[in-house]
Amino acid sequence: ELKVEQNPLFLSMQEGKNYTIYCNYSTTSDRLYWYRQDPGKSLESLFVLLSNGAVKQEGRLMASLDTKARLSTLHITAAVHDLSATYFCAVDMNTGNQFYFGTGTSLTVIP
Amino acid sequence: NAGVMQNPRHLVRRRGQEARLRCSPMKGHSHVYWYRQLPEEGLKFMVYLQKENIIDESGMPKERFSAEFPKEGPSILRIQQVVRGDSAAYFCASSPGTQLEAFFGQGTRLTVV
Repeated sequence: ELKVEQNPLFLSMQEGKNYTIYCNYSTTSDRLYWYRQDPGKSLESLFVLLSNGAVKQEGRLMASLDTKARLSTLHITAAVHDLSATYFCAVDMNTGNQFYFGTGTSLTVIP
Repeated sequence: NAGVMQNPRHLVRRRGQEARLRCSPMKGHSHVYWYRQLPEEGLKFMVYLQKENIIDESGMPKERFSAEFPKEGPSILRIQQVVRGDSAAYFCASSPGTQLEAFFGQGTRLTVV
């Protein structure tokens, strides 16, 4: 079974600072997804990374994928309070049948 | 184009009752996935369906749980004889095909008392 690990699990950072969330997975896959979840809400799709070396940016968030290292990163630049949420990465086994989700990173941005 | 619609949003059931969760996929999407999220955890895959077919149910508990996606109407996740451990948020996602991005509904939060 594919395992997906995120770290850190909890992250508290000050506004204006930069930080990176890591997502490691245990088997070959070249498709990785990042989602954001606010408390009590559904998952909002942030990024879809479909190949080795893929890099996507949206506002203060940038995601990258290294399929050889089985690693994706979500980099936060100059954090703002509105980014406080839980961030999940998810991987599929190239079959399209299901996603394997990481445990999530709970981000709190402190003014 | 409305997103993935789930209802009810909140459902309270007593132990031993049945819970029925509904999911209407986005227009044009024929692939539906159900996930369960326990408090403070990530989502765990339960079942993947296409119209009238169960494609992968490897994440479904062997007893009490069933799912369907009929030709007409929403997908239904059915939990019989609920127990306290079934309390969780149940999310449905849909996609237009395999290996394509899936979009999630708002979830149904089931509480078993």
